[in-house]
Amino acid sequence: DADVTQTPRNRITKTGKRIMLECSQTKGHDRMYWYRQDPGLGLRLIYYSFDVKDINKGEISDGYSVSRQAQAKFSLSLESAIPNQTALYFCATSDTGTGADEQYFGPGTRLTVT
Amino acid sequence: QKEVEQNSGPLSVPEGAIASLNCTYSDRGSQSFFWYRQYSGKSPELIMFIYSNGDKEDGRFTAQLNKASQYVSLLIRDSQPSDSATYLCAVNEAGGTSYGKLTFGQGTILTVHP
Repeated sequence: DADVTQTPRNRITKTGKRIMLECSQTKGHDRMYWYRQDPGLGLRLIYYSFDVKDINKGEISDGYSVSRQAQAKFSLSLESAIPNQTALYFCATSDTGTGADEQYFGPGTRLTVT
Repeated sequence: QKEVEQNSGPLSVPEGAIASLNCTYSDRGSQSFFWYRQYSGKSPELIMFIYSNGDKEDGRFTAQLNKASQYVSLLIRDSQPSDSATYLCAVNEAGGTSYGKLTFGQGTILTVHP
């Protein structure tokens, strides 16, 4: 089984709808991240959480919110989806305990807002 | 705004050649440097990380780091068509509350042709 899972893998939704993307991990990592990827723009950080009670905005948090329900679960919500939120969304995890910063990514969610 | 710049590409090399991917970064305090490989439509996969100045080799891959020049590179020897992918350089943030975050470059597309 994959260590980092994301649901759904693909989603098409309409402008104005609320949508939630979910991420779960079995790696036991304390840190979790949400990124979006657009062609030519690389990976941009939306939100990150260093533990259940620590949630921080990334560089592009406007229009998004998150919830860290447990150490293993981190959800991203689009309160009112708009077409320019069409992108590939990745969840990632890392482990403070190793002293390293490498991040491990889930398979991604392809979101289309029409 | 911390920046990570990669050679723009796309880079095309013949099978069996050495592919050289380059990355510069702006945060002089960064300590950890990562190379990810991303196949089209898939998630980034960690292939190498380096912390110390000099070279680090892993199979056909060599990462090179020069902190004084704020430069990190990835060499792929004996390139194979299966190496065709986008390569992402990532650099950690040095301190404060954002310690542990990674900043990603925009990626370099590598094509290895038979």
